[in-house]
Amino acid sequence: SYELTQPPSMSVAPGQTARIPCGGNNIGRKRVHWYQQKPGQAPVLVVYDDSDRPSGIPERFSGSNSGNTATLTISRVEAGDEADYYCQVWDITSDFVFGTGTKVTVL
Amino acid sequence: QITLKESGPTLVKPTQTLTLTCTFSGFSLSTSGVGVGWIRQPPGKALEWLTLINWDDEKRYSPSLKSRLTLTKDTSKNQMVLTMTNMDPVDTATYYCVHGSGYDLAFDHWGQGTLVTVSS
Repeated sequence: SYELTQPPSMSVAPGQTARIPCGGNNIGRKRVHWYQQKPGQAPVLVVYDDSDRPSGIPERFSGSNSGNTATLTISRVEAGDEADYYCQVWDITSDFVFGTGTKVTVL
Repeated sequence: QITLKESGPTLVKPTQTLTLTCTFSGFSLSTSGVGVGWIRQPPGKALEWLTLINWDDEKRYSPSLKSRLTLTKDTSKNQMVLTMTNMDPVDTATYYCVHGSGYDLAFDHWGQGTLVTVSS
């Protein structure tokens, strides 16, 4: 089965840049989607197909994907960005796979 | 405007069968490239995909749960029904109904979720 690995947590100061990695075997060959989940709320899609943003998502959210790592980048971090972030791909053997999730704390 | 809403029991006993209904609006499941499905999240844990039905009626199930899951749809009512047999306390989770679109079906709309507790 296909697996996606994320660091459990990271901290970032307001105004700085957060880079959240998502590791998977040859993930660069797949389309990666990213979700933001705030406490008590349903997840929200923030980046799809590696680097595209749904309407309404700030340009501060961007994505990249190459080799064995995909990355969600949050520029000019704000207090409201504090949340759990999950990567997700489709895999021919496992179908839809989610990462382990990263809790982002804004200092 | 796409909306999805889950309904069903909040408490089930071990070994019982769980039945959850997703009522959706704002889209047609017959539109090419669209899928609706279920994702769950145990308290404090990560998201887990369960099942999905495509616009072309293809049904897909998580390999690890396939033997316990059944997905049906009622197009006339814009509803999708998930059945999960032989419930166990480890199945305690918030269950989300989701809408997917695009090449690899990114989940772009989510229901509010419903917490299902499995306990005797």
